[in-house]
Amino acid sequence: GAGVSQSPSNKVTEKGKDVELRCDPISGHTALYWYRQSLGQGLEFLIYFQGNSAPDKSGLPSDRFSAERTGGSVSTLTIQRTQQEDSAVYLCASSEPKRNEQFFGPGTRLTVL
Amino acid sequence: QKEVEQDPGPLSVPEGAIVSLNCTYSNSAFQYFMWYRQYSRKGPELLMYTYSSGNKEDGRFTAQVDKSSKYISLFIRDSQPSDSATYLCAMSGTGGFKTIFGAGTRLFVKA
Repeated sequence: GAGVSQSPSNKVTEKGKDVELRCDPISGHTALYWYRQSLGQGLEFLIYFQGNSAPDKSGLPSDRFSAERTGGSVSTLTIQRTQQEDSAVYLCASSEPKRNEQFFGPGTRLTVL
Repeated sequence: QKEVEQDPGPLSVPEGAIVSLNCTYSNSAFQYFMWYRQYSRKGPELLMYTYSSGNKEDGRFTAQVDKSSKYISLFIRDSQPSDSATYLCAMSGTGGFKTIFGAGTRLFVKA
């Protein structure tokens, strides 16, 4: 079956612009995660959605970052007024209910000039 | 101190060698332990998944968990050039979702 998909695969933007990153999880996966991976760094947790529960936003680095998940499926991560330090690969993952194994998408490589 | 420590490498070995990758952690609440493999410009893919202490074998891969020492390992037997990738350890506790990832070890297997 189809895996997790993300779009765009690459995004180049100018400092100060807003960007939207999209994630389509695996069908039936109720949990959805966003991570950020900077060069040579591990995965930094950003936000977690589980079913209809309130999302855990504890990893969002600033109020410029927000995310939503519509209809329990597709999720959008929005970064407002982008800064150069936002340049990274943004990874989305999903998992089945009550399971810890996460399945990752290919990521969106964001470059802020 | 980070919750999960992993040597970033790089680790370079000849084809056919046994590779040992390791992580240490500080949170005794971790119960689930995972290894992910990440090829360049790709997302991580789940390689091994274990619960609590013990060993798990899958083909050329063996995962070991020693909770008393807060130490986990991934062994790769008969390593192949196609094993060249970054390997990330990950762990989480029961009743919670948050998975903590190591920084990843970059492995090169030379033909």
